[in-house]
Amino acid sequence: AQTVTQSQPEMSVQEAETVTLSCTYDTSENNYYLFWYKQPPSRQMILVIRQEAYKQQNATENRFSVNFQKAAKSFSLKISDSQLGDTAMYFCAFGTSGSRLTFGEGTQLTVNP
Amino acid sequence: ETGVTQTPRHLVMGMTNKKSLKCEQHLGHNAMYWYKQSAKKPLELMFVYNFKEQTENNSVPSRFSPECPNSSHLFLHLHTLQPEDSALYLCASSQDLAGTNQPQHFGDGTRLSIL
Repeated sequence: AQTVTQSQPEMSVQEAETVTLSCTYDTSENNYYLFWYKQPPSRQMILVIRQEAYKQQNATENRFSVNFQKAAKSFSLKISDSQLGDTAMYFCAFGTSGSRLTFGEGTQLTVNP
Repeated sequence: ETGVTQTPRHLVMGMTNKKSLKCEQHLGHNAMYWYKQSAKKPLELMFVYNFKEQTENNSVPSRFSPECPNSSHLFLHLHTLQPEDSALYLCASSQDLAGTNQPQHFGDGTRLSIL
């Protein structure tokens, strides 16, 4: 069974600064996908970024980037130039064949003005 | 707007009531999902439907009864619920089940409170 662990229940960052959210996972699979989802107070879960395990290059989407360390089973999310709208719960998720996603417990990120 | 609409947004019901949650997706997706989100717990997958057929029931109690009349609509029928069933229920859809490179699109959820 796959497990996903987010060890930081809460984090805060000043506006315009950089913050890194950590995620580790456990699996015996070799081909899989990793995702970061964002859930703002409006409750809508929004995909932030995804990484394919067979790709060594770290995924990047504008201010969001990941540090994917396959051997260490680590998948951290870096948010650069944090904005107030980045305040949300962030979930790391692991997926393999059949589109079944396993989610971590989430990290509540607060961006302070 | 993700293209997945859930109603109602909030629902308060007694333990003996019967109610239904509705999910509709306008994305042309073939797979739909129900998740339960409780405070301080990871999202729990409840049911998966692909082309209207249920492909997964994650040991969900029978007081939750899903229905998928077509690929665009998904219902969750509720009866004789327990206080521990109070949670946010999220619906999601994806193009199909053929690999998880396809992201799931989520609705806003229904906040359910059991009295």
